[in-house]
Amino acid sequence: DGGITQSPKYLFRKEGQNVTLSCEQNLNHDAMYWYRQDPGQGLRLIYYSQIVNDFQKGDIAEGYSVSREKKESFPLTVTSAQKNPTAFYLCASSSQGRAGGYEQYFGPGTRLTVT
Amino acid sequence: EDQVTQSPEALRLQEGESSSLNCSYTVSGLRGLFWYRQDPGKGPEFLFTLYSAGEEKEKERLKATLTKKESFLHITAPKPEDSATYLCAVQAFGFQGGSEKLVFGKGTKLTVNP
Repeated sequence: DGGITQSPKYLFRKEGQNVTLSCEQNLNHDAMYWYRQDPGQGLRLIYYSQIVNDFQKGDIAEGYSVSREKKESFPLTVTSAQKNPTAFYLCASSSQGRAGGYEQYFGPGTRLTVT
Repeated sequence: EDQVTQSPEALRLQEGESSSLNCSYTVSGLRGLFWYRQDPGKGPEFLFTLYSAGEEKEKERLKATLTKKESFLHITAPKPEDSATYLCAVQAFGFQGGSEKLVFGKGTKLTVNP
């Protein structure tokens, strides 16, 4: 089955620790994204990558870092500099649909709790 | 600034009671409008893409329509399994930072009672 996998599903960390969230896709998509979802808010873009070895900051990149060494993988590191890291993190990848629109497909998410 | 506003925030329906969800958008040059369904604790599931005013897409009890300023998601004779949060997102030509960026609304939480 083609799809996007994220691991782990739940993650607990202490304040001051860095943590890395995994995202893998086997859809052969070039572009990958990381979003953060908080209660009562829309999805907010953290980082995105349109091609291997290249990535750009989204709207809320501070306190996060990414890498894109392989087409299939786009891990997100939540650093100790992120002030409010507790959230639901979603990874997505996209292909080009008709008329040039890019349809994004999401993974199951990782719920990170930092105490 | 490009914006997406969804209404209502929450909607309760009886099984079989048809209704519509609204997504109003302000964007400089629409590349596409997307609808997603999200169940609690899960990632959004892609439903539809609409590209131009007048376009319609259907899937089972759901029908999405698009005008120049808004999109509607019509739900006909809903069932309890249609209960979820429905998200709307827009993609514009020439978004700063990348042409593939999506701007999401906050969603409409739909509850269908049996």
